[in-house]
Amino acid sequence: QVQLQESGPGLVKPSETLSLTCAVSGYSMTTDYYWGWIRQPPGKGLEWIGSITGGGGTYRNPSLKSRVTMSVDTSKSQFSLKLSSVTAADTAVYYCARAILTSTDSYFEHWGQGTLVTVSS
Amino acid sequence: QSVLTQPPSVSAAPGQKVTISCSGSSSNIGKNYVSWYQQFPGAAPKLLIYDNNKRPSGIPDRFSGSKSGTSATLGITGLQTGDEADYYCETWDSSLIVAVFGGGTELTVL
Repeated sequence: QVQLQESGPGLVKPSETLSLTCAVSGYSMTTDYYWGWIRQPPGKGLEWIGSITGGGGTYRNPSLKSRVTMSVDTSKSQFSLKLSSVTAADTAVYYCARAILTSTDSYFEHWGQGTLVTVSS
Repeated sequence: QSVLTQPPSVSAAPGQKVTISCSGSSSNIGKNYVSWYQQFPGAAPKLLIYDNNKRPSGIPDRFSGSKSGTSATLGITGLQTGDEADYYCETWDSSLIVAVFGGGTELTVL
């Protein structure tokens, strides 16, 4: 059973960089799947941030692309997200997930429990 | 505003059937597969339907999905109070190069 667990600071100051890590267990990270990040502002809907393969290939949401950096460390079974220059609008629950992503298909099979990140001074 | 349009809320009585629509365009639903997610308050979303109409292991057949043109539909039969949740559709947009979610639909089982 694939399990994912997000970790990182719950409070980030405006203009700083949000950094999260997702630990993967129950599955050996390879290039077979994408590993994605999705966020949900309080009381609002879901927004895809980006996805990365075990080999490091990435797709990022164009609306966030300039601020998003993703990386993967298959030896540690984890992948990471950095979002720079954060504002209050980046306050959200951040989820990591194992994803299917092809030219015609996108879905998120397994999700972490999510972690709330608040941007505030 | 979401690229995919869902009704904000739907409701039905226990035991009845409900459908939730998801409207998109030729660049997303019109050419790509659709998935659906169930989310309870305070919990992570859970995959209900993928590839338009396939159910992951463990999802009861009360849940079904379909797609026609640029719209998709989630159907839930034999409604239970435990089905009260938010439901989201999702697909890939080939023009925007982005995974897009609908705005979500809150299901109330009266």
